[in-house]
Amino acid sequence: ETGVTQTPRHLVMGMTNKKSLKCEQHLGHNAMYWYKQSAKKPLELMFVYSLEERVENNSVPSRFSPECPNSSHLFLHLHTLQPEDSALYLCASSQPNSTDTQYFGPGTRLTVL
Amino acid sequence: RKEVEQDPGPFNVPEGATVAFNCTYSNSASQSFFWYRQDCRKEPKLLMSVYSSGNEDGRFTAQLNRASQYISLLIRDSKLSDSATYLCVLSTTDSWGKLQFGAGTQVVVTP
Repeated sequence: ETGVTQTPRHLVMGMTNKKSLKCEQHLGHNAMYWYKQSAKKPLELMFVYSLEERVENNSVPSRFSPECPNSSHLFLHLHTLQPEDSALYLCASSQPNSTDTQYFGPGTRLTVL
Repeated sequence: RKEVEQDPGPFNVPEGATVAFNCTYSNSASQSFFWYRQDCRKEPKLLMSVYSSGNEDGRFTAQLNRASQYISLLIRDSKLSDSATYLCVLSTTDSWGKLQFGAGTQVVVTP
């Protein structure tokens, strides 16, 4: 069992919809991450939060909006997405140290029609 | 040049055989190195960290060559359950908690 949960596991949305992805970690970590994984491509880091403050925004379009209300929860709000945004969105958590392991949630497979 | 490069494979390996593959990286400031495993349609999971002196975990052996800037993974006595994509992952001294991922090497172990 991963200790990091994500909902929903699958999401299909139209380009005009607004939806949110949720991530919750039960590991006592202080850092949380959003990644995008497209087919045959490396994981792309999108956002990093440490102690509920955003410390990295990796040039992500504004149609993706993260929110971290506390150290255990992370959201990704989606608005006016494009078909090329279809991918697996993975949440991870760790202690904020470059040598520490990141633990991933099962991901949300997003399809934008 | 990609920051982390891996042969995508697939490496087709008979059950019981040995398979090895490398990962090259371009940033000499890379500090920590890992191999993650990702099963089809699942999340990545840490397989093992890679230490300068090389390290072994059961049937898996990881090596680091800083001079040539590559890490390697060797799997002995392959099992069907070893079929997965193996991701090379590293972090640098100038970024905390920020990992860089390779696109992965696919291994398929056949009966």
